[in-house]
Amino acid sequence: QGQLMESGGYRVRPGGSLRLSCTASGFTFSDSYMTWIRQAPGKGLEWISYISDDGETSSYADSVRGRFTISRDNTRELVFLQMNNLRNDDTAIYYCSRGKIYSDHWGQGTLVTVSS
Amino acid sequence: QSALTQPPSVSGSPGQSVTISCTGTSGDIGSFYSASWYQQTPGTTPKLIIFEVRHRPSGVPDRFSGSRSGNTASLTISGLQPEDEGDYYCSSYTHNSVLFGGGTKLTVL
Repeated sequence: QGQLMESGGYRVRPGGSLRLSCTASGFTFSDSYMTWIRQAPGKGLEWISYISDDGETSSYADSVRGRFTISRDNTRELVFLQMNNLRNDDTAIYYCSRGKIYSDHWGQGTLVTVSS
Repeated sequence: QSALTQPPSVSGSPGQSVTISCTGTSGDIGSFYSASWYQQTPGTTPKLIIFEVRHRPSGVPDRFSGSRSGNTASLTISGLQPEDEGDYYCSSYTHNSVLFGGGTKLTVL
């Protein structure tokens, strides 16, 4: 039974930075693509980024490319999302999930609020 | 990266069937056998209910079924139950990214 838990969500001013973390357990992390998905308050789901099992390949949504960076540490079974130059419209719950084409395990999410 | 198109809302009475459509393009749903569906009931995390067009994860009732025709994927829920009420999202892989639909709110009357 795979489990994921995000942390690092906080209130930050526009232009600021945050680093989200996601810890995994219950499945073979080093064999799994990992993905970040976000959901703005009262809105739908938006795919943000994925990273390959070995960390060598990643991809980003147009809305975050150049500002966000995904990375992972297979030794500690962690995946990260470094978010720079944050904007008001980045305010959302950020979910960590397992998979590339579809997400079969999700964390509970961590709230990021960007506001002055 | 345009979102997939879903109807904003659908409704049905307990025991009835409803179908939610998800329209993409030849570059996503039409090209990749990758349409998936997620259920999000109020206050909960999204849950995968269909992957690769028609496959159900373990534990998902067979009342939920998926299909695809051309650039449109569909989710059918048979024998509606009150606990099915919530938001449903489709998604599809495309070239090095994933698209989501805007979501459909299912109301069980």
